Amino acid sequence: DTGVSQDPRHKITKRGQNVTFRCDPISEHNRLYWYRQTLGQGPEFLTYFQNEAQLEKSRLLSDRFSAERPKGSFSTLEIQRTEQGDSAMYLCASSFGAVADTEAFFGQGTRLTVV
Amino acid sequence: AQSVTQPDIHITVSEGASLELRCNYSYGATPYLFWYVQSPGQGLQLLLKYFSGDTLVQGIKGFEAEFKRSQSSFNLRKPSVHWSDAAEYFCALLSGGYQKVTFGIGTKLQVIP
Repeated sequence: DTGVSQDPRHKITKRGQNVTFRCDPISEHNRLYWYRQTLGQGPEFLTYFQNEAQLEKSRLLSDRFSAERPKGSFSTLEIQRTEQGDSAMYLCASSFGAVADTEAFFGQGTRLTVV
Repeated sequence: AQSVTQPDIHITVSEGASLELRCNYSYGATPYLFWYVQSPGQGLQLLLKYFSGDTLVQGIKGFEAEFKRSQSSFNLRKPSVHWSDAAEYFCALLSGGYQKVTFGIGTKLQVIP
């Protein structure tokens, strides 16, 4: 499978714990995005990487959230001191090419449940 | 700020009937618009996109969408719906220099026999 891969697919954690998600984009895709989708809502943009550089962060990304893409390949999203409001589907997407004429391919997401 | 409105949260159609899903946008410049489909437990799949040119765009799975600048709309259509089209559909708008995409709330499509 050469699509965007996310791990784990599901995560249940207790409030206050830290969690880390991984995203493996399509090989050679230089752009990588994280989105959050809560029940009954569309995905909301969290952050964007071009290669290893994090170029944009949403105000949704509080200081408990941190994302990295150390070598410009896979990315991790860490949530510290999780809260029940963090329960959501976290989607990763990747793309390659000029800004406006390429498709972003989405992974299947990581569903986080904070209990 | 940009926004995308999908006024219909849930739509039910009979198999074989035509479909139109509504999408309105607000953006200060020329919009780049998308329709995505999401099946339960799955990621988002791009159905079609509009960047410029012909305002009627064709997509996968027999879908099409028409961009109407005067109405700030980008409605999705399909002449004959199949049971496998049951899913959630998201209209989205591209803005900014980094391909930041703003999604609508989604329209859940139910197909009945």
